[in-house]
Amino acid sequence: NAGVTQTPKFQVLKTGQSMTLQCAQDMNHEYMSWYRQDPGMGLRLIHYSVGAGITDQGEVPNGYNVSRSTTEDFPLRLLSAAPSQTSVYFCASSYSGVSRRNGYTFGSGTRLTVV
Amino acid sequence: AQSVTQLGSHVSVSEGALVLLRCNYSSSVPPYLFWYVQYPNQGLQLLLKYTSAATLVKGINGFEAEFKKSETSFHLTKPSAHMSDAAEYFCAVSDHSNTGKLIFGQGTTLQVKP
Repeated sequence: NAGVTQTPKFQVLKTGQSMTLQCAQDMNHEYMSWYRQDPGMGLRLIHYSVGAGITDQGEVPNGYNVSRSTTEDFPLRLLSAAPSQTSVYFCASSYSGVSRRNGYTFGSGTRLTVV
Repeated sequence: AQSVTQLGSHVSVSEGALVLLRCNYSSSVPPYLFWYVQYPNQGLQLLLKYTSAATLVKGINGFEAEFKKSETSFHLTKPSAHMSDAAEYFCAVSDHSNTGKLIFGQGTTLQVKP
């Protein structure tokens, strides 16, 4: 099993450009989420989804859009990149409800720089 | 709402000394609690988890954590630090519901001195 796959691993954008960070999992997990990691701030939840067709905002959703058309994929879209969005982005997935005791699986991350 | 506080953004120990990384949580329902480790330029790796079974949880690489409901704590310990333990450590909390989110603390960087 591949687990959680994130692409690309590295990306440089110019201010105002848009792009999509891809996340795919092959574990049939209902729950998927996106985090950003910044020094001294831990990981902050951007958006999450509890199943296909259902998404919700996390702690820092502004400037990002998500959709969940399939169980496997959960792309994160930056609409108009800003330098403040320079960060490392992680996708994570898990089972829902009490099955979440099995833990969350993380992708290897996407390092994004906005210049 | 759930939250996690990690006391101390940086902890420095000598090789062979006790490692203690502190984590306190806030949750209105019985939580699931996790410790993750992140080595430089890598993703997050699960160290251990508490899922309402035994209160003393053993994880990988000799780490363990004790769930103390009365203190709302889940501190991470290791009896003897090794140089390879130098990394950033994150405590996280979730709940049992279908909409349960994984909420992280700010992280603690562990430095191990020779």
